[in-house]
Amino acid sequence: DVKVTQSSRYLVKRTGEKVFLECVQDMDHENMFWYRQDPGLGLRLIYFSYDVKMKEKGDIPEGYSVSREKKERFSLILESASTNQTSMYLCASSSSGSVTYNEQFFGPGTRLTVL
Amino acid sequence: EDQVTQSPEALRLQEGESSSLNCSYTVSGLRGLFWYRQDPGKGPEFLFTLYSAGEEKEKERLKATLTKKESFLHITAPKPEDSATYLCAADGAGNMLTFGGGTRLMVKP
Repeated sequence: DVKVTQSSRYLVKRTGEKVFLECVQDMDHENMFWYRQDPGLGLRLIYFSYDVKMKEKGDIPEGYSVSREKKERFSLILESASTNQTSMYLCASSSSGSVTYNEQFFGPGTRLTVL
Repeated sequence: EDQVTQSPEALRLQEGESSSLNCSYTVSGLRGLFWYRQDPGKGPEFLFTLYSAGEEKEKERLKATLTKKESFLHITAPKPEDSATYLCAADGAGNMLTFGGGTRLMVKP
């Protein structure tokens, strides 16, 4: 079974803190993604990566950065957390070929609250 | 700009009452239409991929179909365990998945 794990299920941070969300997949997938999910807005892509050290901006990259130093690990960084970044964050991975042509497998999500 | 719209937003069914969920899309160069199921507090779980108009796929009580403008997820004789949010997503020429807002399905015994 494909397994995508995220470092925390719930996280509470204060405004201005630097926040790291970690994602690890065990299926040797080339592509990894970070989404946020908000009621009424659906899933929105923040960043994706199709190879180690490669990254591409998604629809809403502002206020976020990412790091992919190893194939299995993709980190999302909030440089200075703000209350409007309170959300459910979902990581996903997929195998190679087109970045999106193959189905994406999702982790359980991290519910981040910024106070 | 690619757009995906799902309807209805919420659907209540009695156990055994069949129905359909709609996913309308405006995507240039559709390469695939994906359906996911999401349970509360969990990540989406992959169900189907449809690649071309006329294609159908089935899994237990679920059948997904695709036309040039929309996709339907038909649920036949649903059970309470089918209660979840169903998401569709379109893969267009922009190299990213565009997700719809989801349909929250509640099946009562």
